[in-house]
Amino acid sequence: AQTVTQSQPEMSVQEAETVTLSCTYDTSESNYYLFWYKQPPSRQMILVIRQEAYKQQNATENRFSVNFQKAAKSFSLKISDSQLGDTAMYFCAFMKHRGANNLFFGTGTRLTVIP
Amino acid sequence: DAGVIQSPRHEVTEMGQEVTLRCKPISGHDYLFWYRQTMMRGLELLIYFNNNVPIDDSGMPEDRFSAKMPNASFSTLKIQPSEPRDSAVYFCASSFHREGSPLHFGNGTRLTVT
Repeated sequence: AQTVTQSQPEMSVQEAETVTLSCTYDTSESNYYLFWYKQPPSRQMILVIRQEAYKQQNATENRFSVNFQKAAKSFSLKISDSQLGDTAMYFCAFMKHRGANNLFFGTGTRLTVIP
Repeated sequence: DAGVIQSPRHEVTEMGQEVTLRCKPISGHDYLFWYRQTMMRGLELLIYFNNNVPIDDSGMPEDRFSAKMPNASFSTLKIQPSEPRDSAVYFCASSFHREGSPLHFGNGTRLTVT
């Protein structure tokens, strides 16, 4: 079974600063996909970034980037130049390479950006 | 594209009543998923469909829960009879049938059973 662990229930960061959210996972699969989703107070689940496990290069989307360490089964999210709109719950999620596209979610990290 | 559309946004009902949650997936998506989010259990998969066919319903809590997908553009999740412990946010999500295709979520339905 796949498990996803987010060990930081809550974090805060000053506006314009950089913050890193941690995620580790456990799987016996050699190929898979990893995601970060954002859930602001509006409740909507928004895709932030996607990583393919067989790609060495870390994914980047504007101010969001990941540090993917396959051997360590670690998938952290770095948010640069934090903005007030980044305040949200952030969920790390795992998807198998084969089979259905269902996601296995971590418990989330609540991020607060302080003005 | 309007995205995944769920209704209602909020539902308050009394214990024992039937509740029906609705979802319209993104046009062209082959997969449809129903997730439940609670403080205690986080986000958990209830059931998913592929091309309107239920594939895995092992996450459905019990027989009081049922889900249908009569066509490619509509799905329902029904709870009958509802209980207070069913109170949660229920999300519908859809995706393409391609490996690694991300899920697109609706805005969720917050269900409160009193």
